[in-house]
Amino acid sequence: QLQLQESGPGLVKPSETLSLTCTVSGGSISSSSYYWGWIRQPPGKGLEWIGSIYYSGSTYYNPSLKSRVTISVDTSKNQFSLKLSSVTAADTAVYYCARHLSRELKAFDIWGQGTMVTVSS
Amino acid sequence: SYELTQPPSVSVSPGQTARITCSGDALPKQYAYWYQQKPGQAPVLVIYKDSERPSGIPERFSGSSSGTTVTLTISGVQAEDEADYYCQSADSSGTYEVFGGGTKLTVL
Repeated sequence: QLQLQESGPGLVKPSETLSLTCTVSGGSISSSSYYWGWIRQPPGKGLEWIGSIYYSGSTYYNPSLKSRVTISVDTSKNQFSLKLSSVTAADTAVYYCARHLSRELKAFDIWGQGTMVTVSS
Repeated sequence: SYELTQPPSVSVSPGQTARITCSGDALPKQYAYWYQQKPGQAPVLVIYKDSERPSGIPERFSGSSSGTTVTLTISGVQAEDEADYYCQSADSSGTYEVFGGGTKLTVL
């Protein structure tokens, strides 16, 4: 059974770079059938899509975050990663990694449990 | 930027039918998806491709589409259905994904 697990620092200082990794187990991230994505949710607020990546490295990002976001993939480790630069308190959120249902259908069918990241000095 | 609009809240009594709408200009061109999220948990996909139900999702969950509005219908609402519900779709050219603001379903 495919599982996703986020990992990374729970506290990041303002102006620094937030870095998270999603480890995929029970399946290969190199499957040609799927994109993999990052979604976040500020406390008490709704979901926001950050961006997604294909195993080949092809990416697409939320236009509102594009200038600060980099998503990469490491197929040898079955992981994909998120970097968000120049963070502020507004970036405080639960960050989820998830799998798209297929290359064509961009619903997220499998989610990690989420990891809380707080931006504070 | 593209937006999907949902009502902030919907309330129904147990056994009744709940309808949650999601409006967006690109919905005639792009599929919509629906998620259920309970407190402290990750979202769960309940509808994909406007009206398809993933395996394991109860039959009381259904989806429909009409023009620029998609609707999640929960028939015979149960107490366990109380949750936040989010729609998701893409802009007209499929360049990026968008979530609606979410609807809190309260079972009275």
